Amino acid sequence: DAKTTQPTSMDCAEGRAANLPCNHSTISGNEYVYWYRQIHSQGPQYIIHGLKNNETNEMASLIITEDRKSSTLILPHATLRDTAVYYCIVRAPPNAGGTSYGKLTFGQGTILTVHP
Amino acid sequence: DTAVSQTPKYLVTQMGNDKSIKCEQNLGHDTMYWYKQDSKKFLKIMFSYNNKELIINETVPNRFSPKSPDKAHLNLHINSLELGDSAVYFCASSQQTGFTGELFFGEGSRLTVL
Repeated sequence: DAKTTQPTSMDCAEGRAANLPCNHSTISGNEYVYWYRQIHSQGPQYIIHGLKNNETNEMASLIITEDRKSSTLILPHATLRDTAVYYCIVRAPPNAGGTSYGKLTFGQGTILTVHP
Repeated sequence: DTAVSQTPKYLVTQMGNDKSIKCEQNLGHDTMYWYKQDSKKFLKIMFSYNNKELIINETVPNRFSPKSPDKAHLNLHINSLELGDSAVYFCASSQQTGFTGELFFGEGSRLTVL
């Protein structure tokens, strides 16, 4: 699975958009980009994933550059409860290789702090 | 109802003891996992079971033995506990068929070995 690079920490004002970047310059053509977050003392929570098209759900938007070497997770209106560690993960398609589909490699992530 | 529940939430024990952590999911998923988050906050997969069958074993010491009595339960038994086993252990589940990459994690079980 491709390696990802994320800033160690970021700040955001409550109510503003939080834009979290992720660099994955060695991504392969069939690898997806996943985002998870971990709020303090809780288990990781899935946010969104995508292959090459931009994606949006009720939690966030995912913007993937045309060359797929980087992506940005956007929380459109950050709240205090969005303070968490955000993980960008790149991995092969869910069923590729059979047995590894549930194996996610978490890096250090970005500590997002949302301020009042 | 909690989707993925783990017990106990906290566990403090002495070196050399044997302990178990239990996990249950009520999502109807057929695949369950154990992840370990160490003191540096790195989260790594340990085991995965699909329909009670072990499918991922990430070079974990033999002292760790997962057991899946049915597809809704995955327990983790640890023998001869060592200081380095202190960590937060997360259980997770997913559906293999139509897997989207979304794992559902429990709240974690914090194990402290003294």
